[in-house]
Amino acid sequence: RKEVEQDPGPFNVPEGATVAFNCTYSNSASQSFFWYRQDCRKEPKLLMSVYSSGNEDGRFTAQLNRASQYISLLIRDSKLSDSATYLCVVNLISNFGNEKLTFGTGTRLTIIP
Amino acid sequence: SQTIHQWPATLVQPVGSPLSLECTVEGTSNPNLYWYRQAAGRGLQLLFYSVGIGQISSEVPQNLSASRPQDRQFILSSKKLLLSDSGFYLCAWTNRGYNYGYTFGSGTRLTVV
Repeated sequence: RKEVEQDPGPFNVPEGATVAFNCTYSNSASQSFFWYRQDCRKEPKLLMSVYSSGNEDGRFTAQLNRASQYISLLIRDSKLSDSATYLCVVNLISNFGNEKLTFGTGTRLTIIP
Repeated sequence: SQTIHQWPATLVQPVGSPLSLECTVEGTSNPNLYWYRQAAGRGLQLLFYSVGIGQISSEVPQNLSASRPQDRQFILSSKKLLLSDSGFYLCAWTNRGYNYGYTFGSGTRLTVV
């Protein structure tokens, strides 16, 4: 089983629609969670952290369900500029304080005018 | 503010040639440093990470090596490149213990021919 699993898509969504991505992770000891965005042929960039209580940043809402080992990202009122690949990321911090991020393979989103 | 520099941006190398990719971080001290590779259409694979000068941990066995000769310098090397080494190489850093995710460099796109 992959450590982080995402639906690869592609998701083709009309502008203004709401779209949701899901992600599952296998290691129950994982301690922190993130969504990254990667544009074509560019480096990944942090979109938002995911907190246990759920968090919102403008049109973006992230949720975490530790019991089900499940993370989600909701994008409301989607814009053309939201077209990108969204990476689900899980962080496992070792006893020595070393962080190791594990990335999902990403979900490709295309917003259609 | 902290910045991360990675070069070159693009590289075309023949099979069997050596490789040296460099990454430097500015504006911070004692960062954790990481090398990732992203093959075409695939997720990010952690290759090496370092928590200090001269301290390198390897995640996957391969013909690549890494070194950290200075606190904010991380180098990825190979003595003889293989076709399978082609990919998008990304350096990343984080401040240990802050759990803010990683910041990536702009990447090097390597094509082995």
